[in-house]
Amino acid sequence: QKEVEQDPGPLSVPEGAIVSLNCTYSNSAFQYFMWYRQYSRKGPELLMYTYSSGNKEDGRFTAQVDKSSKYISLFIRDSQPSDSATYLCAMSVDYQLIWGAGTKLIIKP
Amino acid sequence: DSGVTQTPKHLITATGQRVTLRCSPRSGDLSVYWYQQSLDQGLQFLIQYYNGEERAKGNILERFSAQQFPDLHSELNLSSLELGDSALYFCASSVADRVGGYTFGSGTRLTVV
Repeated sequence: QKEVEQDPGPLSVPEGAIVSLNCTYSNSAFQYFMWYRQYSRKGPELLMYTYSSGNKEDGRFTAQVDKSSKYISLFIRDSQPSDSATYLCAMSVDYQLIWGAGTKLIIKP
Repeated sequence: DSGVTQTPKHLITATGQRVTLRCSPRSGDLSVYWYQQSLDQGLQFLIQYYNGEERAKGNILERFSAQQFPDLHSELNLSSLELGDSALYFCASSVADRVGGYTFGSGTRLTVV
């Protein structure tokens, strides 16, 4: 079993929909949780960085961490075709960063 | 432009050869990380340097080596190249005390033929 599980997708939704992307993890020691967005053939770009359980909002993006369930989510409101990309979750403990495999998201106009 | 510069952008070379990938971190960042991304393996951590010293090692092959220079730029050396080494190689940088809040470069695409 991998330490971080993420459905590779692809996830295809119509423009304007609310998107929910998720990761589960097994190591309860993870302290920091991140979401990165990667466009095709480009470097990953940090979207959200959270520490505690709860929600963090930035524009159309909301990151949610549930440490009791070992589950993190990224919500995208009013999704746009430009949001089409691969979304990677990452988690850290003791200066090590563990990555999910990434979910490919397609927003259909 | 993320502020992390990687050169070259593309590299095509033959099996058995040696190549050097270069990375200049974002201004002020002391840590440099190297990652390999291939289609079937996802993002794999190779090695981290902090202020010139090796800090952490991941799944880096013995044929690969890296170093960080006094001006903080880093080089990743890949030798005895095999077809399976074809991948995107990313460099990322960060301030030392923020694990995971990395800024990535746009990568070097290596094709071994």
